[in-house]
Amino acid sequence: KAGVTQTPRYLIKTRGQQVTLSCSPISGHRSVSWYQQTPGQGLQFLFEYFSETQRNKGNFPGRFSGRQFSNSRSEMNVSTLELGDSALYLCASSLGGAKNIQYFGAGTRLSVL
Amino acid sequence: KQEVTQIPAALSVPEGENLVLNCSFTDSAIYNLQWFRQDPGKGLTSLLLIQSSQREQTSGRLNASLDKSSGRSTLYIAASQPGDSATYLCAVPTAGSQGNLIFGKGTKLSVKP
Repeated sequence: KAGVTQTPRYLIKTRGQQVTLSCSPISGHRSVSWYQQTPGQGLQFLFEYFSETQRNKGNFPGRFSGRQFSNSRSEMNVSTLELGDSALYLCASSLGGAKNIQYFGAGTRLSVL
Repeated sequence: KQEVTQIPAALSVPEGENLVLNCSFTDSAIYNLQWFRQDPGKGLTSLLLIQSSQREQTSGRLNASLDKSSGRSTLYIAASQPGDSATYLCAVPTAGSQGNLIFGKGTKLSVKP
C-alpha cells in the first residue's frame, strides 16, 4: 500500500509569488491535515479536510488556503509569499475514525528568497 | 489551551543504553497520544499510538506509557542503537479535532557507537 505522497519535494520561490503543494493520502483515507514545520516554532497545524470539507483551521493568515478533491487528494496554496513562509510543509492522512493514527508524507521543503 | 512539552531537548547516549524520553501535556482530557520519529529533513514516522483508555503500548524495543491524571507520557527505548538517532516527537489531538495534532518541540536523540 503506497504511503502519503507529497509533491514537489523541494521548491524555491521569490517573495510575492504564490505556490501550490500537493498531497495524495493513503488509499481509503478521507482525512488530510497540513502542518508547517520551522526550527523556531516547531510543527504547527494549518488545516484539516475530511470528505472535501475543511473541518478545522489553524492560526495562519488568509494567504494560506487549501482544498480537498473527491478522491481525497489535497492541495494547499500560499499566495504573496514572504521570507517567513520558508519551512517544511507536511501532510498527514488518516481514516478519520476513533483510532486516529496520523501517517505523514516526506514533506515539501519550501524556500522563499 | 493544550500545551505539550518534551524534556530533554537533546540527549546523547552510548550504544546499548536503555533510555526514557518524556512528554507532558497540560490538559488531561486527551483522546489519545502519539509518538513519532523524524529523521533530518524527512517526514514523521508514527511509532506508537496510545488510546486514553490504555496505560501502555509496545512495539519491538519501544514501550510507551500514558498517565492521563498526571499529564505525562514516556517513551522507553531498550538497548539503543545508532540507527535510533533521530528526533522524537509526541503529539495529542485538540479537543473535538483528531486531525489537529499539538506537538511538542521534540527530543533530539544521538546514539554513539
